[in-house]
Amino acid sequence: GAGVSQSPSNKVTEKGKDVELRCDPISGHTALYWYRQSLGQGLEFLIYFQGNSAPDKSGLPSDRFSAERTGGSVSTLTIQRTQQEDSAVYLCASSSPGTGIYEQYFGPGTRLTVT
Amino acid sequence: GQSLEQPSEVTAVEGAIVQINCTYQTSGFYGLSWYQQHDGGAPTFLSYNALDGLEETGRFSSFLSRSDSYGYLLLQELQMKDSASYFCAVTNTDKLIFGTGTRLQVFP
Repeated sequence: GAGVSQSPSNKVTEKGKDVELRCDPISGHTALYWYRQSLGQGLEFLIYFQGNSAPDKSGLPSDRFSAERTGGSVSTLTIQRTQQEDSAVYLCASSSPGTGIYEQYFGPGTRLTVT
Repeated sequence: GQSLEQPSEVTAVEGAIVQINCTYQTSGFYGLSWYQQHDGGAPTFLSYNALDGLEETGRFSSFLSRSDSYGYLLLQELQMKDSASYFCAVTNTDKLIFGTGTRLQVFP
């Protein structure tokens, strides 16, 4: 079946603009995660959605970042008033109820460049 | 605080065996996962240890010692395609906390 998809694959934006990044998880996966990966670095947890529960937003770096998940499926990560330090690859992952959070399936990521 | 430590880089030759260590300090621990990421690619799941001991999956094995807050990934019969970054990740209640990754370079 189809894996996790993300769009756009690349996004170049000017400092101060808002951007929206989209994630389409694997069908049937109830958990969805957003991570940020700077060049040569590990993955930084941003936010976690599980079913219809309130999301865990503990990793969002500032109030410029927000995310929503509609209908328990597609998710959008929004960054307002982008800054140059927001430049990174934004990865989305999903996991199924059967395997738990330790086995996550990642999308190809969105490379965000803020100029 | 929460921290996971891995060597930044490891090199080896084809056919060799390499071990990538991971030590962790986290508040809350359910298990240790390993992920592989090729340059420009997405991380892919390799293995998971919830209990002490060795888990084997083909050429790859993973070990966990909860009392030592330590684990490792063992790669045998290295192939060129194993050149990638490898991340350990702690399962902590509802999220994964990733280490900074170990870049493995395999030479012919």
